[in-house]
Amino acid sequence: NAGVMQNPRHLVRRRGQEARLRCSPMKGHSHVYWYRQLPEEGLKFMVYLQKENIIDESGMPKERFSAEFPKEGPSILRIQQVVRGDSAAYFCASSPFGLLNTEAFFGQGTRLTVV
Amino acid sequence: KQEVTQIPAALSVPEGENLVLNCSFTDSAIYNLQWFRQDPGKGLTSLLLIQSSQREQTSGRLNASLDKSSGRSTLYIAASQPGDSATYLCAVTQGGSEKLVFGKGTKLTVNP
Repeated sequence: NAGVMQNPRHLVRRRGQEARLRCSPMKGHSHVYWYRQLPEEGLKFMVYLQKENIIDESGMPKERFSAEFPKEGPSILRIQQVVRGDSAAYFCASSPFGLLNTEAFFGQGTRLTVV
Repeated sequence: KQEVTQIPAALSVPEGENLVLNCSFTDSAIYNLQWFRQDPGKGLTSLLLIQSSQREQTSGRLNASLDKSSGRSTLYIAASQPGDSATYLCAVTQGGSEKLVFGKGTKLTVNP
């Protein structure tokens, strides 16, 4: 059973470009979470999704950021018109039944650098 | 608002020593607490999950305790090894939500 797969591992974008980060959860996991880790900061919650639904996006900036988890395919975190402050490591986690009863499994992360 | 604090921020010990990492949280209304390990440039590896009704969990040389009423958890590592060198993160699942709230971590270095 492969773990949570994120790609790309490293992504460089120029200011104003779009960044697309992909996350394939573990097999059988329908709960997906995105977190952001800024340099010297702890991980911060961004968004929680179940198949085709956004459950909680309270940690995601209102502008330029969006997330989806379609019926088929990976979850996508999309950042439009990137700025230098978006440079960070973005981690995806998945869980089979939600975090109230089971642990979260994290991917290796995507390190976004905006130049 | 839940806040998670980990002390110390960094710890350096000689190989073979037993050690304790501390985690505290401000709101005791949690569902569970999870300890992770993060190696430089890597993702997070789950170490132990303690439900709010539990007092401790053990896995190999690791033992995690939870005192929910006082808002504290400890991670005990026995007979430390250089391979244990990493950043250890504590996170709580806040009651009523599916969010993990993380501390900033303790960076552990075990010297051979």
